[in-house]
Amino acid sequence: EAGVTQFPSHSVIEKGQTVTLRCDPISGHDNLYWYRRVMGKEIKFLLHFVKESKQDESGMPNNRFLAERTGGTYSTLKVQPAELEDSGVYFCASSPRDGRLAGSYEQYFGPGTRLTVT
Amino acid sequence: GQSLEQPSEVTAVEGAIVQINCTYQTSGFYGLSWYQQHDGGAPTFLSYNGLDGLEETGRFSSFLSRSDSYGYLLLQELQMKDSASYFCAVISGGYNKLIFGAGTRLAVHP
Repeated sequence: EAGVTQFPSHSVIEKGQTVTLRCDPISGHDNLYWYRRVMGKEIKFLLHFVKESKQDESGMPNNRFLAERTGGTYSTLKVQPAELEDSGVYFCASSPRDGRLAGSYEQYFGPGTRLTVT
Repeated sequence: GQSLEQPSEVTAVEGAIVQINCTYQTSGFYGLSWYQQHDGGAPTFLSYNGLDGLEETGRFSSFLSRSDSYGYLLLQELQMKDSASYFCAVISGGYNKLIFGAGTRLAVHP
């Protein structure tokens, strides 16, 4: 079974440009999360999808960030326009909808996209 | 506010035992998880504690005291491959939203 994949692995863009990050969760996982780690600090929650619906987007920093999950499968996170403080590693994670019922609290993380805004 | 505190760095030798502590202050609490991340890799799940007490999984154990808002990860028989960052994370809400600490970088030396 394939794990969570993210594309690209690295992205270097200039301030003011647009970048779109993609996440493919584990097949069948209804829950999809985006997190971000900035400059060695804590990994911070951005938002959570259940299938195609945004369940919680309380961690989205501002309206320059737009997340979508088409058809409840893969998800994209667009940053437009990018600012210097957006640099960091963006992680995607997924988990089964009924994970808790099965006694599992694991989130499966992708390797992250390292975004550098210059 | 919500915060988790854990040491930034720990150093130990192969074969030793190390304990990484985590104290938390969050508006909601469902349980405490631990994740391991090697440089450049994906965070991977190690353990979960929902109730007070000790959970053991091989060389790793995790403990939780809800009344003290405190937990720890215990790594025994350390190996070089255990060199990594370790994150405690509170499950805060009904859908497993994770609130992470800043991570503890563990360096294991021969």
